Amino acid sequence: EVQLVESGGGLVQPGGSLRLSCAASGFTFNSYRMAWVRQGPGKGLEWVAIIKQDESQRHYVDSVKGRFTISRDNAKNSVFLQMNSLRDEDTAVYYCARTLGGAATTDYFDYWGQGTLVTVSS
Amino acid sequence: DIQMTQSPSSLSAFVGDRVTITCRASQNIFNFLNWYQQRPGKVPNLLIYAASSLQSGVPSRFSGSGSGTDFTLTISSLQPEDFATYYCQQSYTSLYTFGPGTKVEIK
Repeated sequence: EVQLVESGGGLVQPGGSLRLSCAASGFTFNSYRMAWVRQGPGKGLEWVAIIKQDESQRHYVDSVKGRFTISRDNAKNSVFLQMNSLRDEDTAVYYCARTLGGAATTDYFDYWGQGTLVTVSS
Repeated sequence: DIQMTQSPSSLSAFVGDRVTITCRASQNIFNFLNWYQQRPGKVPNLLIYAASSLQSGVPSRFSGSGSGTDFTLTISSLQPEDFATYYCQQSYTSLYTFGPGTKVEIK
């Protein structure tokens, strides 16, 4: 059974940092790209970042470029999101998601974790 | 960036009704379009990928169609468990974007 379990969320002041983790199990982790998607309180879904299997490619939504870094440890079946210079508008539930697809077809998120809440507030 | 819009933003329908939700992309995205369902307080769930392919385990009353800039998600016979918000998502570029969502309420 595929499982994704996020951790690391919490309350942080504006300008602070947090590191989110997502532990994966039930599938061959190093065969899949992994992504982070967030959802602000009462808001819609927003894709945040994605990382290729071998970390050779990473992409970010414009609003987090230069502040967030996605990484992974294939030996530990984990993906991470280092979040620096946090802003009020980064307050959200952060989901990690397994990503399927390929060069000639759509990329989609077929499994999601339960999410971890990040609250940025003074 | 590719912008996604959805209509309507919300709708109310009876159990058994046929429901159609529309998603429009700001440029041609071919069939690089997916649909997700999010029930209240729950995690998003993939329904349709590549515009019209039904994800394994998803009931056949859900279907998707379209290509280019205009797409639809259809629920052929609305069930009480379909009370949820539905999101489209494009992956034509590496900067994925979701639509704003369509909230479906049961009358």
